[in-house]
Amino acid sequence: AQSVTQPDIHITVSEGASLELRCNYSYGATPYLFWYVQSPGQGLQLLLKYFSGDTLVQGIKGFEAEFKRSQSSFNLRKPSVHWSDAAEYFCAVGTRNAGNMLTFGGGTRLMVKP
Amino acid sequence: DTEVTQTPKHLVMGMTNKKSLKCEQHMGHRAMYWYKQKAKKPPELMFVYSYEKLSINESVPSRFSPECPNSSLLNLHLHALQPEDSALYLCASSQDTETPFYEQYFGPGTRLTVT
Repeated sequence: AQSVTQPDIHITVSEGASLELRCNYSYGATPYLFWYVQSPGQGLQLLLKYFSGDTLVQGIKGFEAEFKRSQSSFNLRKPSVHWSDAAEYFCAVGTRNAGNMLTFGGGTRLMVKP
Repeated sequence: DTEVTQTPKHLVMGMTNKKSLKCEQHMGHRAMYWYKQKAKKPPELMFVYSYEKLSINESVPSRFSPECPNSSLLNLHLHALQPEDSALYLCASSQDTETPFYEQYFGPGTRLTVT
């Protein structure tokens, strides 16, 4: 069965600093990988996704992620964080079995210092 | 329009009440999902509908009863809930369930409190 690990429960960065959120997955086949963001009390918004091809994926709001098969990782990055980026971030892996099911990591809460 | 709407936004109900959550999408998606999310936790899948038929029930208690009247609408009927059922209930939709290539679009959720 697939699993997703986000090692950092909380991360605090200063506004304008760079950001990297870690995601490690365990899945036997080619993974479908996603990063979602959730603001307090809101639904999830897709930031970016990876299926195949170029391992560096660009997303919305200036985010990017890099798929590294050798490390089973799909880390999310942003060169300069804005205060509005403070939110919960979820990495997820999708499976091709019935139901288009997503397996989510535990989430990383990002706090941004002024 | 890439919006999934959910009503109500907030719901408080007693353990003997019957209430319903509603979810709607107009993207032509044929797959719809219910998730439950407790505080500081990731969403947990409850049900999946594919082409208006229930395809996955993740061993959810019968006090939760999903319904898909048509391809745009998904309901979750609630009856005799317990306080531990208090959570954010998220609805999502995708083009179909055949592949994760078709991303899931999430609604804003209904915050449910059971008293």
